Amino acid sequence: AQSVSQHNHHVILSEAASLELGCNYSYGGTVNLFWYVQYPGQHLQLLLKYFSGDPLVKGIKGFEAEFIKSKFSFNLRKPSVQWSDTAEYFCAVIPYSGAGSYQLTFGKGTKLSVIP
Amino acid sequence: NAGVTQTPKFQVLKTGQSMTLQCAQDMNHEYMSWYRQDPGMGLRLIHYSVGAGITDQGEVPNGYNVSRSTTEDFPLRLLSAAPSQTSVYFCASSPRGPRDQPQHFGDGTRLSIL
Repeated sequence: AQSVSQHNHHVILSEAASLELGCNYSYGGTVNLFWYVQYPGQHLQLLLKYFSGDPLVKGIKGFEAEFIKSKFSFNLRKPSVQWSDTAEYFCAVIPYSGAGSYQLTFGKGTKLSVIP
Repeated sequence: NAGVTQTPKFQVLKTGQSMTLQCAQDMNHEYMSWYRQDPGMGLRLIHYSVGAGITDQGEVPNGYNVSRSTTEDFPLRLLSAAPSQTSVYFCASSPRGPRDQPQHFGDGTRLSIL
């Protein structure tokens, strides 16, 4: 079965600082990868996804992520964070085929607090 | 408005009570799923369905039952509530599977078991 590990539980940054949130997955085959964001009191929203092709994926609100297959990683980045980016961020993985291909597995999340 | 509707939004139960969390979508999506969200644990898949009459277990199915008699509805049943089931529950749907993005999430049901 697949699994996801997010390295940071809570990250605190000042506005304009650069952001990188780590995500590693465990699965032996081809996967699809996602980053979701959950703003306080809201449900999850998709930030970006990787299915195939260019390993550098651009999402909404200036976020991007890089898929490094050799490292089983899909780290999320943003060059300059804003106070409105304060939220919890979840990495998720799903196998491309076979057992588990209908089961989206989430990491435990990283809370981001941006200080004005 | 189109979307995923969850009811109730809040519920308090006593240990041993039963209840059904409702989830309905009006987008004719084949895939529906239930997650629970606990602090520091992320979202964990409870059960999912790929179409009417078809359901399967996710990561944490124990203590929960589901059925899918129609495309629109996917209720989650707690047969005998336990304090460990205190959580926020989200229902989600997508056209064919979780790869179809965006998945549409409901607003959640906050459930407390005393």
